[in-house]
Amino acid sequence: AQSVTQPDIHITVSEGASLELRCNYSYGATPYLFWYVQSPGQGLQLLLKYFSGDTLVQGIKGFEAEFKRSQSSFNLRKPSVHWSDAAEYFCAVGAQSSVKLVFGAGTILRVKS
Amino acid sequence: EADIYQTPRYLVIGTGKKITLECSQTMGHDKMYWYQQDPGMELHLIHYSYGVNSTEKGDLSSESTVSRIRTEHFPLTLESARPSHTSQYLCASSPRDFSYEQYFGPGTRLTVT
Repeated sequence: AQSVTQPDIHITVSEGASLELRCNYSYGATPYLFWYVQSPGQGLQLLLKYFSGDTLVQGIKGFEAEFKRSQSSFNLRKPSVHWSDAAEYFCAVGAQSSVKLVFGAGTILRVKS
Repeated sequence: EADIYQTPRYLVIGTGKKITLECSQTMGHDKMYWYQQDPGMELHLIHYSYGVNSTEKGDLSSESTVSRIRTEHFPLTLESARPSHTSQYLCASSPRDFSYEQYFGPGTRLTVT
């Protein structure tokens, strides 16, 4: 069965600084990987996804993520954080044989000015 | 971008009441999902549907029930609400050919007193 670990519960970065949110997954085959963002009181919005091909994927709002099979990781990055990026970020993994997604517990991003 | 709606957004109700959480999507997506989300925890799938007249239980046991009489509508019902049902409930949908890309509604925050 798939599982997802987001090691950091909270991260605080200064506005304009770079960001990296960590995600490790467990799955026997090539996974489908996702990053979602959730602002307070809102549902989840898809930031980016990886299915196959280029291991560096670009998403919305200036985010990117890199799939590293050897490390079972799919870390989310942004070169310069804006105050509006403060939110909770969820990594998720899907299996080819299932419609279900398995989510990590989320990382809360705080941006200080 | 998918349009998916949930009502009510917030609900405070007493123990023993019957409640129905509404979820509708306007994109004609075949698959729909209900997740339960508690603060600091991952999302847990409680119900999903492949299409009309199809309902399946998810990974997390839930006392709620769902129905799928129309493609666009996937309501969740609690026959007798209890304080343990207090949570946020998120509805999602995905298209037939791209099941892994799930689009989320804004959620219903339920409090049972």
